[in-house]
Amino acid sequence: KQEVTQIPAALSVPEGENLVLNCSFTDSAIYNLQWFRQDPGKGLTSLLLIQSSQREQTSGRLNASLDKSSGRSTLYIAASQPGDSATYLCAANTGNQFYFGTGTSLTVIP
Amino acid sequence: GAVVSQHPSWVICKSGTSVKIECRSLDFQATTMFWYRQFPKQSLMLMATSNEGSKATYEQGVEKDKFLINHASLTLSTLTVTSAHPEDSSFYICSARDPKPTNEKLFFGSGTQLSVL
Repeated sequence: KQEVTQIPAALSVPEGENLVLNCSFTDSAIYNLQWFRQDPGKGLTSLLLIQSSQREQTSGRLNASLDKSSGRSTLYIAASQPGDSATYLCAANTGNQFYFGTGTSLTVIP
Repeated sequence: GAVVSQHPSWVICKSGTSVKIECRSLDFQATTMFWYRQFPKQSLMLMATSNEGSKATYEQGVEKDKFLINHASLTLSTLTVTSAHPEDSSFYICSARDPKPTNEKLFFGSGTQLSVL
């Protein structure tokens, strides 16, 4: 069974810093990997989706990479802002099901 | 992008009553929808996969008679928590898969906070 882990569980950084969130998965046979953002008491908002054939995807200040062979994905956030404070979740899509990581709670301090 | 609407956003009910949560895909047809449960500061726990026109597939440990799922159309899935008890209080989220074969993206509703008194 696919297991997805995210490190760190929580992260606090001053505004303006660049940061990296990590996601690892045990089974490399994935269809794609998706990064989400969740604000407290809200649903999930899709940030980036990387297909299994891709190495990275970029959207504004966000860059996500994927290394299937090592079972890893990273989400890079450049020039962090207080509005980036949220929980970030990654999900590995095996085709039949999406497996979610445990999330990283990010706090950007003004 | 695709939009998934979930209603209600929050509900408070008495123990023993039933609560229905709706999940609609507004601008695409979703043959498959997923229902998740989330406890505070924890990740999403898949409860069941809802397939249009057929019975839902429940994850191990999820009581199908307790959590009734109906996916009667390509744009609507409902989750009914029957005879709710305080331990059913949780945040419930639905999602739908974008059917475009090159996309396979997952879109989420805004969630429903259920509080059972």
